Amino acid sequence: EAGVAQSPRYKIIEKRQSVAFWCNPISGHATLYWYQQILGQGPKLLIQFQNNGVVDDSQLPKDRFSAERLKGVDSTLKIQPAKLEDSAVYLCASSLDSGPGRRTEAFFGQGTRLTVV
Amino acid sequence: EDQVTQSPEALRLQEGESSSLNCSYTVSGLRGLFWYRQDPGKGPEFLFTLYSAGEEKEKERLKATLTKKESFLHITAPKPEDSATYLCAVSFRGFKTIFGAGTRLFVKA
Repeated sequence: EAGVAQSPRYKIIEKRQSVAFWCNPISGHATLYWYQQILGQGPKLLIQFQNNGVVDDSQLPKDRFSAERLKGVDSTLKIQPAKLEDSAVYLCASSLDSGPGRRTEAFFGQGTRLTVV
Repeated sequence: EDQVTQSPEALRLQEGESSSLNCSYTVSGLRGLFWYRQDPGKGPEFLFTLYSAGEEKEKERLKATLTKKESFLHITAPKPEDSATYLCAVSFRGFKTIFGAGTRLFVKA
């Protein structure tokens, strides 16, 4: 079974530039997550989709970050304009969950390491 | 305040020296507690899910347990290949999920 695919693996940009990350979840997974992981910290949830809809984006800095999930499958996360503090690994994950009951495990991609200079 | 705290931050063991990692949480409406392993440069890899106090799960040298306010990951006779960061995540109140900061485990041969 193919895992969660993310691209690119690495990205270096200057502050105030824009950047986009792409994620293809495991086939059939209803829920898709984007996490930000700063070095030495645990992942922080940015946004969670269930099929096409957003169910949690409470920690997404909406003035600069945006995300969409195309036809309930692939997803893109964009940062515009980037700041130095956005340097982190951006992880995409997916799970089978289709409702708010008992949650199931998430499967993670390799992540995109973003460096803002 | 909803919170997940892992301890210790780092743990150094000799090969064969058993120990435990702790994950304590203050949330309401638990929907699942998850343990993941993360190797450098990789995404977290799922280990266990626990749902109810008293529940236990076991795989090879690892055993996870759950009480109403905390979970333990017990490592029996660890090997150098068990060296990694172990992350705890709590899902609660429908769609909320919080990760702890992780415990970095180093096992020396």
